[in-house]
Amino acid sequence: QVQLQESGPGLVRPSETLSLTCTVSGGSVSSYFWSWIRLPPGKGLEWIGHIYYTGITNNNPSLQSRVTLSLDTSKNQFSLKLTSVTAADTAIYYCARRGSAYYALPSWGQGTLVTVSS
Amino acid sequence: EIVLTQSPDTLSLSPGERATLSCRASHSVRSTFLAWYQHKPGQPPRLLIYATSTRATGIPDRFSGSGSGTDFALTISRLEPEDFAVYYCQQYGASPPYTFGPGTKLEIK
Repeated sequence: QVQLQESGPGLVRPSETLSLTCTVSGGSVSSYFWSWIRLPPGKGLEWIGHIYYTGITNNNPSLQSRVTLSLDTSKNQFSLKLTSVTAADTAIYYCARRGSAYYALPSWGQGTLVTVSS
Repeated sequence: EIVLTQSPDTLSLSPGERATLSCRASHSVRSTFLAWYQHKPGQPPRLLIYATSTRATGIPDRFSGSGSGTDFALTISRLEPEDFAVYYCQQYGASPPYTFGPGTKLEIK
């Protein structure tokens, strides 16, 4: 069964870049869609974007210009970069994998809290 | 962008009761593209239902999904203590963003 684990700094200063990595075990990033979702405090889930194993990406238009997704098949990882962060980007960030033959997210990492503060 | 609204915001019920949660879309969503998740604090969301009515692996049959077009529902036939959580619907439509609803909190009465 595939397992995902997020890693990265828990504190980012305003205007800087948030960088997170998701390490995949029990499966290969060389297939499927790999997603990022976040949960701001007191709010609901927000889909950030996903990357296909071919490198094709789709991002949430509300974040589009600030988001970069990438894939590293040699490390079996995928990554999120979010530039020019503000306090509104404080959230629990989850990585997830889409189902192989259906449109939903059956596999999630445990999530990592990122706080934007000076 | 397809906007999902969920109702009620909070549902207060007792174990053993039946729960019906609603998810309404601003535009029609193909049944293939509608999913439901359960979320508890400190845990990642858990996929319950995909393609409107198909239970994910290991999900008890007290959970069921239904609907079409713009109106969808998640029903829990007989609430167990572990079912009290926040529930989200998500649409995985023809183009991003693949939005979530704001959630329904199911709490113990």
